[in-house]
Amino acid sequence: EAGVTQSPTHLIKTRGQQATLRCSPISGHTSVYWYQQALGLGLQFLLWYDEGEERNRGNFPPRFSGRQFPNYSSELNVNALELEDSALYLCASSLGHKNTEAFFGQGTRLTVV
Amino acid sequence: AQSVTQLGSHVSVSEGALVLLRCNYSSSVPPYLFWYVQYPNQGLQLLLKYTSAATLVKGINGFEAEFKKSETSFHLTKPSAHMSDAAEYFCAVSERTGFQKLVFGTGTRLLVSP
Repeated sequence: EAGVTQSPTHLIKTRGQQATLRCSPISGHTSVYWYQQALGLGLQFLLWYDEGEERNRGNFPPRFSGRQFPNYSSELNVNALELEDSALYLCASSLGHKNTEAFFGQGTRLTVV
Repeated sequence: AQSVTQLGSHVSVSEGALVLLRCNYSSSVPPYLFWYVQYPNQGLQLLLKYTSAATLVKGINGFEAEFKKSETSFHLTKPSAHMSDAAEYFCAVSERTGFQKLVFGTGTRLLVSP
């Protein structure tokens, strides 16, 4: 069974541009979570989607947004990129918010230059 | 608000020695607790989790952790370190009322020397 897959693996953008990161959850999982792992800041919760709706949001500005599609895959968009947005972005999925285990993808390394 | 403290950003052990990685949590009610491992340029892999059954939890790769409510701790141990255990380890907590998100500690890098 395929795990959580993220694309692209690496992404290089220029300051001010927009970045789009994609995540496919494990088959049957309806919840998708996004985390940012920036150097020196640790793992920070970004967004949680469940059944197509945004359920919770971390302490990030509105230029971080996303959506979940009917097939439960998800997209994270980062607008007006800043140098500080350079980080590893991790996606995780779970069977639902009542489940106790989340499975992580390999991440997308975003570099803003 | 929930939080997790991992003592020691780096822990060095010799191959074959005991591994002890410390984690203390802060929560108004006993939460769910997790240990994840991250190898270089990889995502996170779940080692073990505590969700209210036995307080001593066994995980993969010979790791185990004990939930101690009185000490608000969930330390990770392994009797004998292997070179392949070198990685970064994260302790995390989530609410029991609904798995909305994980709150992670700052991580501990385990170094294993021959």
